[in-house]
Amino acid sequence: AQSVTQLDSQVPVFEEAPVELRCNYSSSVSVYLFWYVQYPNQGLQLLLKYLSGSTLVKGINGFEAEFNKSQTSFHLRKPSVHISDTAEYFCAVGPTGANNLFFGTGTRLTVIP
Amino acid sequence: KAGVTQTPRYLIKTRGQQVTLSCSPISGHRSVSWYQQTPGQGLQFLFEYFSETQRNKGNFPGRFSGRQFSNSRSEMNVSTLELGDSALYLCASSSTPGLQETQYFGPGTRLLVL
Repeated sequence: AQSVTQLDSQVPVFEEAPVELRCNYSSSVSVYLFWYVQYPNQGLQLLLKYLSGSTLVKGINGFEAEFNKSQTSFHLRKPSVHISDTAEYFCAVGPTGANNLFFGTGTRLTVIP
Repeated sequence: KAGVTQTPRYLIKTRGQQVTLSCSPISGHRSVSWYQQTPGQGLQFLFEYFSETQRNKGNFPGRFSGRQFSNSRSEMNVSTLELGDSALYLCASSSTPGLQETQYFGPGTRLLVL
């Protein structure tokens, strides 16, 4: 079975400051790792994904994440946030042999001007 | 290229009724997955279809069903609606099954059960 824990339900941060959204996962099988963003009244948009290879993954909008197998973590980071980054962020894992994602409960990022 | 479209966007039903939601994947995509999003349970996988066959199913009661047509469009049906079925239902499409391919999500159908 797979599970995802997003350690912070809400993260306020000032504009142009760095941010880290934390994600830990648990799985008995090999998994792929994802971060999605959801803007109000919209669906999910993929920010980045880790399938294999380099543990540092770069995504869209200046976001990056680092896969740490020993810590079973996949934290999302951005060095300087913008007002437009205000949204809900979801970490997800998926078994390598399937098509279904297991999502965390989400972190609401609020960027303060 | 047009994105994933879901119809209707909003829906209000009463308990006991049944509802059908539609999802049109990105052109050329043949894999469609459905998810339910609620404040209490978060995002949960419902089922996945590829080439008109259900390949995977989440832990939902039999009142939730789906199908996929030869043009890859998919529908999901919920019978005997309960208050707890109020949710945002998201559809995602990808070119092939498997998470290596990016899943593109639609804007969702927001269902309110009264």
